[in-house]
Amino acid sequence: AQRVTQPEKLLSVFKGAPVELKCNYSYSGSPELFWYVQYSRQRLQLLLRHISRESIKGFTADLNKGETSFHLKKPFAQEEDSAMYYCALKVPNDYKLSFGAGTTVTVRA
Amino acid sequence: GAGVSQSPSNKVTEKGKDVELRCDPISGHTALYWYRQRLGQGLEFLIYFQGNSAPDKSGLPSDRFSAERTGESVSTLTIQRTQQEDSAVYLCASYGRGTGELFFGEGSRLTVL
Repeated sequence: AQRVTQPEKLLSVFKGAPVELKCNYSYSGSPELFWYVQYSRQRLQLLLRHISRESIKGFTADLNKGETSFHLKKPFAQEEDSAMYYCALKVPNDYKLSFGAGTTVTVRA
Repeated sequence: GAGVSQSPSNKVTEKGKDVELRCDPISGHTALYWYRQRLGQGLEFLIYFQGNSAPDKSGLPSDRFSAERTGESVSTLTIQRTQQEDSAVYLCASYGRGTGELFFGEGSRLTVL
């Protein structure tokens, strides 16, 4: 069965510093990978997906099939990036999304 | 409404009581999920419904938990004989065909005293 691992439970960075959230997965095929974000007092929402290859709010994520990783990166963190981030995986022909345990990011002034 | 709606938003109950949580998905969304989010922890998959197919109940933690969905409409999650460890936010999400995106509700916060 597929599995998503986010090794960092908490991540604290200073404003303006780079931030990287790690995500590794176990699946032998070609999955779809996503990052979801939950800001304080807001509902969980999609941040970005690997098939879009787009940058959202300055964040990017590259799917590395060799390393089975989908790390989320932003070169200059902002205070409004403080949130809980979840990596998620979907396998072909299945609607089920499996989530990692989440990483809480705190950006300090 | 435009989004996924859940009720109640907050529920405080006594240990041993039954509770029912409701989810109204986005109209037309074929798949619906229930997740549990305990304080300080990540999302724990409970159950998912896909159209008229048999639901995937593999995440339900015990037989005290059950869920129903009629067609592609409202779903209810029922917890019988609640325990303190059931205290959590229960999140519902619906998923449109081919979009690859889950739309979450605001959750139902359950506190078992």
